[in-house]
Amino acid sequence: GAGVSQSPSNKVTEKGKDVELRCDPISGHTALYWYRQSLGQGLEFLIYFQGNSAPDKSGLPSDRFSAERTGGSVSTLTIQRTQQEDSAVYLCASSQFASTVNQPQHFGDGTRLSIL
Amino acid sequence: GQQVMQIPQYQHVQEGEDFTTYCNSSTTLSNIQWYKQRPGGHPVFLIQLVKSGEVKKQKRLTFQFGEAKKNSSLHITATQTTDVGTYFCAAYPGSQGNLIFGKGTKLSVKP
Repeated sequence: GAGVSQSPSNKVTEKGKDVELRCDPISGHTALYWYRQSLGQGLEFLIYFQGNSAPDKSGLPSDRFSAERTGGSVSTLTIQRTQQEDSAVYLCASSQFASTVNQPQHFGDGTRLSIL
Repeated sequence: GQQVMQIPQYQHVQEGEDFTTYCNSSTTLSNIQWYKQRPGGHPVFLIQLVKSGEVKKQKRLTFQFGEAKKNSSLHITATQTTDVGTYFCAAYPGSQGNLIFGKGTKLSVKP
């Protein structure tokens, strides 16, 4: 596709369940980012993948959160034992890699996660 | 860690009035990016500023990067209802890595 694709668009689950969120970046983009945005708030950085390098996990809020990126393309963000405070919109973004110039990030439409 | 502070948090204007949002950093930035997020939408890249004192224009939007590369502003002339949304500034802490976003300025325009 032409843009970043995220699925599902909405997810409602019960507290304590595990959830998996998927992100399909723009073809050819080597950098992939996950953010969390609570209602009316800014973007909270979660994790960053760049090519085959070890991901920057410094933004993950707890060990219940994990993410992987297979084959340098599709990424999944997994939240185990979900809590109500995990309710938010989870945004994925991708960008081209450039050694000297920062690239703009292209965002998907997000997954709206609601924990009952 | 590096932070970018953005003010104001909210701005309500009458259609036709001007609007400005400011972004400040305690450290020198290599560059700064601006994004717009419409209500219910996702952030969309607007522009990147790289050079000290740089000024760029996109129709009614004027973007500035300070001489010391520690602050930036976005000015909208004669706002329209289509300008409604949240405007974020963002910067990379180094040459690469995660983008640090300001908390955004939410603009509402009364017709």
